[in-house]
Amino acid sequence: GAVVSQHPSWVICKSGTSVKIECRSLDFQATTMFWYRQFPKQSLMLMATSNEGSKATYEQGVEKDKFLINHASLTLSTLTVTSAHPEDSSFYICSARDRGANQPQHFGDGTRLSIL
Amino acid sequence: DAKTTQPNSMESNEEEPVHLPCNHSTISGTDYIHWYRQLPSQGPEYVIHGLTSNVNNRMASLAIAEDRKSSTLILHRATLRDAAVYYCILRDRYGNKLVFGAGTILRVKS
Repeated sequence: GAVVSQHPSWVICKSGTSVKIECRSLDFQATTMFWYRQFPKQSLMLMATSNEGSKATYEQGVEKDKFLINHASLTLSTLTVTSAHPEDSSFYICSARDRGANQPQHFGDGTRLSIL
Repeated sequence: DAKTTQPNSMESNEEEPVHLPCNHSTISGTDYIHWYRQLPSQGPEYVIHGLTSNVNNRMASLAIAEDRKSSTLILHRATLRDAAVYYCILRDRYGNKLVFGAGTILRVKS
């Protein structure tokens, strides 16, 4: 079945550091990928839609300069949390959808980010 | 996006069937009903989706009401590995994004 790989699985870093998270579709091409964040005991919140070859579309309230998204190829999207602070600590999850109408989304296993 | 309403939590015994309800009274004619589940510390996993007719796959069955204002996800024999948060989401055929609600926490007792 379709697989989405997310890396790293977890990262701990100091406040002020920028952190890059990668999301790859392993066996299909994804023109669109999505980035979510999830706080403990809460549901997933969509942050942005990543479009291959064009700018990402951010949801209301999400700072585009804080969360940089790059989707340079049909199999890779990256999310960079710039100058991360403790309040950015969260579980970040990416997903991708295969081409064609009405295809399900496939999710990565998430990246747990802890900022000290 | 049309909203869905699910119970906060449900409990089931192992090896018994589980019926997870979802209400979506404002569903439009082009909205598909999608179900995903999320195990602890993992990303969500696709379960099943349908439009009007009932659907079956290896994981579950989806029963859709005739007026499409509600649906039920059926796990035929719950196992401990089925303990997860189950999300019922509406998405247009050509829609891209999935908007997650609170979902139903399913607990399975041995």
